[in-house]
Amino acid sequence: DAGVTQSPTHLIKTRGQQVTLRCSPISGHKSVSWYQQVLGQGPQFIFQYYEKEERGRGNFPDRFSARQFPNYSSELNVNALLLGDSALYLCASSWTFEETQYFGPGTRLLVL
Amino acid sequence: DAKTTQPPSMDCAEGRAANLPCNHSTISGNEYVYWYRQIHSQGPQYIIHGLKNNETNEMASLIITEDRKSSTLILPHATLRDTAVYYCIVRPHASGGYNKLIFGAGTRLAVHP
Repeated sequence: DAGVTQSPTHLIKTRGQQVTLRCSPISGHKSVSWYQQVLGQGPQFIFQYYEKEERGRGNFPDRFSARQFPNYSSELNVNALLLGDSALYLCASSWTFEETQYFGPGTRLLVL
Repeated sequence: DAKTTQPPSMDCAEGRAANLPCNHSTISGNEYVYWYRQIHSQGPQYIIHGLKNNETNEMASLIITEDRKSSTLILPHATLRDTAVYYCIVRPHASGGYNKLIFGAGTRLAVHP
């Protein structure tokens, strides 16, 4: 069975630009969570979506937004990119928002 | 949210058991203990989780003390491919209708020949 997939794998942007990252959950999973992992640190929670609704949000500015589609895939958008947004962005899916989260390989974003 | 304390690094010889400790003295009765690992620059990989009882799967065993204030992840026969950062996470109760994983610094396990 296919695991969580994310695209693109790598991305280079410049300051001020906007970026969209995509995530496809494991088949049957209805919840998607997004995490940011800065180099040398553990992942930090950004959002959790369940049944197409935002269920929770971490301590991130409004430049970060996300949505979940009817097929349960998800997009993470970051506007007005800053150098500090350079990180590995991880998507995790689960059956429901309470169940075990399984992570994808991540998208590595570099902001120059 | 319950916090966890793990040693920053550990070494293990290939073929031997790796025992990774975790302290979570403020854990609540309905909070699970989860273990993930992250091999260099990959996404975290789920290993195992438990509430009160010891658990075992094809990857590892999880031993939780009776008072639930600490736990140990056991990799019975470590291989070089087990070299990774191991995260012990107390999963908060899904208050507010969502569930987030709070990652600490983890334990960097190095398995050597």
